[in-house]
Amino acid sequence: ETGVTQTPRHLVMGMTNKKSLKCEQHLGHNAMYWYKQSAKKPLELMFVYSLEERVENNSVPSRFSPECPNSSHLFLHLHTLQPEDSALYLCASSQGGSAYEQYFGPGTRLTVT
Amino acid sequence: AQKITQTQPGMFVQEKEAVTLDCTYDTSDQSYGLFWYKQPSSGEMIFLIYQGSYDEQNATEGRYSLNFQKARKSANLVISASQLGDSAMYFCATNQGGKLIFGQGTELSVKP
Repeated sequence: ETGVTQTPRHLVMGMTNKKSLKCEQHLGHNAMYWYKQSAKKPLELMFVYSLEERVENNSVPSRFSPECPNSSHLFLHLHTLQPEDSALYLCASSQGGSAYEQYFGPGTRLTVT
Repeated sequence: AQKITQTQPGMFVQEKEAVTLDCTYDTSDQSYGLFWYKQPSSGEMIFLIYQGSYDEQNATEGRYSLNFQKARKSANLVISASQLGDSAMYFCATNQGGKLIFGQGTELSVKP
């Protein structure tokens, strides 16, 4: 596979469930990102990992927990979410920081019921 | 304060015509970059074009060109010879404070 992949593509979960989103990049990049895209709103940066270290946590509630075990993989662990967390969650990667173009995955569309 | 402004929520263009999508930005940085992304209904954000603040020439990539007017702080995207497959959301972004800041987006519809 090439580029940035995300699984699952669609997820429906209850407020008491625990689930994880997975992102994998095959581009040899050293930075990875999680974004949230709600309807009618700009993309919101959630987390940034550079060389597997978290360098940005953009005031995200603790019910979202990222994990970056290596430079190719990024996870977003979800627990006790709220209905307002329903959104498209996009993963991206880049070579270097935000000065360089980011390449995005197809996203996971999350619905919290 | 909003850093990126896209004033056109929706645009229509006839197939094969050119279209300009507006973007203005606000920054006090001397060095910055401007990006345009396309998001089809499938959801994936596709990188289109990049302009650095010190680049004297406007960036071009195939049918995409960036009309960069630094004094006016605008970075409009021009799509020439529109195709039906160009119908999508288009986002302008800039890198500030180590982050990419995105605008609200413009929904482009190409009419046959």
